[in-house]
Amino acid sequence: EVQLVESGGGLVQPGRSLRLSCAASGFTFDDYAMHWVRQAPGKGLEWVSGISWNSGSIGYADSVKGRFTISRDNAKNSLYLQMNSLRAEDTALYYCAKGKGPGVATINDYWGQGTLVTVSS
Amino acid sequence: DIQMTQSPSSLSASVGDRVTITCRASQGISNYLAWFQQKPGKAPKSLIYAASSLQSGVPSKFSGSGSGTDFTLTISSLQPEDFATYYCQQYNSYPPTFGQGTRLEIK
Repeated sequence: EVQLVESGGGLVQPGRSLRLSCAASGFTFDDYAMHWVRQAPGKGLEWVSGISWNSGSIGYADSVKGRFTISRDNAKNSLYLQMNSLRAEDTALYYCAKGKGPGVATINDYWGQGTLVTVSS
Repeated sequence: DIQMTQSPSSLSASVGDRVTITCRASQGISNYLAWFQQKPGKAPKSLIYAASSLQSGVPSKFSGSGSGTDFTLTISSLQPEDFATYYCQQYNSYPPTFGQGTRLEIK
């Protein structure tokens, strides 16, 4: 059974940093791309970032480019999102999502339950 | 970025009804279109990819169609567990973009 468990969310002041993690199990992690998708309270889904199976291809939404960094450790079956210079508009539930294939241009077939990031002073 | 527009934004229907949700892309995306279901307080669930291919384990009451710019999700014989919010997403070009969602409510 595919399981994706996010962690690392919390309350953080504007301008500070936070690192999210996603622990994956139930599939061969290094065969698939991985993504982060967020959802602000009461709002729709927004894709944040994606990384190919071997980290060779990475993409970011314009809203986070230059501030967020996605990475993965295939030896640890883990996905990460380093979030710097956080803003109030980054407040959201952050989902880790598995790609259906190895490349970044793929849909997400499994999702974690999310970790909440709140940016507020 | 490609803009995805869903209609309607909300929809009331009764158990047993058949409903259709539409998704329109601001430019052609071939068949690179996915549909997701999200229930309150839960993570999204993948229903359909490549516009019409059913994700493993998804019942055949869900069906998708379309190509280019216009797509539909049809749900037949609505059951109580089908009342949720539905999102389309294009993955033809980066960044992937979602529609604003369609909230399906019980009449």
